[in-house]
Amino acid sequence: AQTVTQSQPEMSVQEAETVTLSCTYDTSENNYYLFWYKQPPSRQMILVIRQEAYKQQNATENRFSVNFQKAAKSFSLKISDSQLGDTAMYFCAFMKPNTGNQFYFGTGTSLTVIP
Amino acid sequence: EPEVTQTPSHQVTQMGQEVILRCVPISNHLYFYWYRQILGQKVEFLVSFYNNEISEKSEIFDDQFSVERPDGSNFTLKIRSTKLEDSAMYFCASRTGTVTGELFFGEGSRLTVL
Repeated sequence: AQTVTQSQPEMSVQEAETVTLSCTYDTSENNYYLFWYKQPPSRQMILVIRQEAYKQQNATENRFSVNFQKAAKSFSLKISDSQLGDTAMYFCAFMKPNTGNQFYFGTGTSLTVIP
Repeated sequence: EPEVTQTPSHQVTQMGQEVILRCVPISNHLYFYWYRQILGQKVEFLVSFYNNEISEKSEIFDDQFSVERPDGSNFTLKIRSTKLEDSAMYFCASRTGTVTGELFFGEGSRLTVL
């Protein structure tokens, strides 16, 4: 079974600063996908960024980027120029393409951006 | 922008009662999911649904749980006889048929079993 571990239950960052959220996973698969989802307070989870395991290049979406280390099974999220709207719970997720394509989530990291 | 909608947002029920949680996935999506999150714990997979049948389910999804897509738009999760440990936030999600398709989540239904 796939497991996803987020070792930082809570983090905070000053507005405009950079923060990195950690995620590790355990799998024997070679082909899979990794995601970071953001869940603002009382709102639904939305996709922040996605990484295909077969791509060596780290994914980037505006202020969000990942550091994907396949051998180490590590997938951290870096948020640059943090904004107040980045305050949310962040979930790391693993997906193995198969019949059900189910996602496996970590326990989440609660990020607070301090003005 | 299309979104997944869930009702009710919060339901309180007595132990042993039946509960139905409703979801309207995004209309052109093909895969449907239920996940749950017990307070302070990880988001856990319950079941996936494709082509009008369950494609995969977890150990949590026992005989007390069932899913249905009765009319081509709603996707429901039924818990036949609720237990205290069923108290959680239940998330519905859907996605397109592409392998890399992201999951689109609803806002969740909070179930409290007393």
